[in-house]
Amino acid sequence: DIQMTQSPSSLSASVGDRVTITCQASQDISNYLNWYQQKAGKAPKLLIYDASNLQTGVPSRFSGSGSGTDFTLIISSLQPEDIATYYCQQYDNIPRTFGQGTKVEIK
Amino acid sequence: EVQLVESGGGLVNPGGSLRLSCAASGFTFSSFNMNWVRQAPGKGLEWVSSINSRSTYIYNADSVKGRFTISRDNAKNSLYLQMNSLRAEDTAVYYCAREGAAAGDFDYWGQGTLVTVSS
Repeated sequence: DIQMTQSPSSLSASVGDRVTITCQASQDISNYLNWYQQKAGKAPKLLIYDASNLQTGVPSRFSGSGSGTDFTLIISSLQPEDIATYYCQQYDNIPRTFGQGTKVEIK
Repeated sequence: EVQLVESGGGLVNPGGSLRLSCAASGFTFSSFNMNWVRQAPGKGLEWVSSINSRSTYIYNADSVKGRFTISRDNAKNSLYLQMNSLRAEDTAVYYCAREGAAAGDFDYWGQGTLVTVSS
């Protein structure tokens, strides 16, 4: 199975800060990488697909990059509504696997 | 508007069975692959099972192989998960999720249904 490792596990930042979350795959997954946002008590929501494509309706302050084994999710200017846990997910292989999540809080 | 509504969760004894359902609306259900993803209390997301649009390809996580069966009824716009031989570690919120047109991404999710395995 492909292991997905996210860092950090949690972070605290101020409104307006640039936030960076990384995701590393245990093997080359090309660009077969998605990012999700999950707010407390809610279902996950797709933010980024194919490593860098913004899902329709997602604010442009979210962006994704990377290929191979190393990927990044950036929130360019953190907003209070971005408080959530973020997960990466690979779809290069079955089983589909998720990172362990990164919890983002407001300082 | 795409909607996925799960039902069938509840409290079940270890070794018991449960059948989850997911009612889909707002899109052509028969054209999309579907998945079940679960989340244990306070934990991360775990993909469980996948079925393609015509039920010709089915994949399962090792953790549920031989115990869970995914199926669908395109005439009823419904997805199912038959769960047998349930264990305490199967306790989780179970989400049904549509696989996007690009394949591999879960672009729409239901609200989830809680399965609790406990005596």
